[in-house]
Amino acid sequence: GENVEQHPSTLSVQEGDSAVIKCTYSDSASNYFPWYKQELGKRPQLIIDIRSNVGEKKDQRIAVTLNKTAKHFSLHITETQPEDSAVYFCAGGFQKLVFGTGTRLLVSP
Amino acid sequence: EAGVVQSPRYKIIEKKQPVAFWCNPISGHNTLYWYLQNLGQGPELLIRYENEEAVDDSQLPKDRFSAERLKGVDSTLKIQPAELGDSAVYLCASSLDFAGEQFFGPGTRLTVL
Repeated sequence: GENVEQHPSTLSVQEGDSAVIKCTYSDSASNYFPWYKQELGKRPQLIIDIRSNVGEKKDQRIAVTLNKTAKHFSLHITETQPEDSAVYFCAGGFQKLVFGTGTRLLVSP
Repeated sequence: EAGVVQSPRYKIIEKKQPVAFWCNPISGHNTLYWYLQNLGQGPELLIRYENEEAVDDSQLPKDRFSAERLKGVDSTLKIQPAELGDSAVYLCASSLDFAGEQFFGPGTRLTVL
């Protein structure tokens, strides 16, 4: 089955810096790769997703890139703000999503 | 539009007791998921429903866990008997279909003493 690995487990940046979180997957049949943001004690919320027929997708300060050949995808957050602090999960799959172990992002003012 | 609703939000029980969680998905969403989330980990799928049919329950510990979605809308997840290791957050999610964006509920935090 699918296996998704996520790095780093924690990431600390200064406000205004960029943050990059990377994930790899194992199943070449996987075609859907969402990213979720989860604040402490709250539900995971989708922030951006990408499907395997697209290499990059942007939404304001957030972008995701996908390299199908290398089986990895990344989340890029530019001009980080303190409210970006949360745990971010990548996920990948075909009919079933497998989640990464999460990255705790801390943005310091 | 109301989001995914779950109840209760918190549950504390003693080991060997039964417990049940309820989920009401977003109206019109045919696919419903139950996930388990341990502290510091990502959600892990327990079971997926397409309407009232359980199409993927390979990760559900069937000796103690059961689930149902009788009319293809609300769903209930049950544990009987609960063990200490079942302490976690149980998340319900729904999507229009299996390929669509998944919307999560707030979860039920279970503590087994």
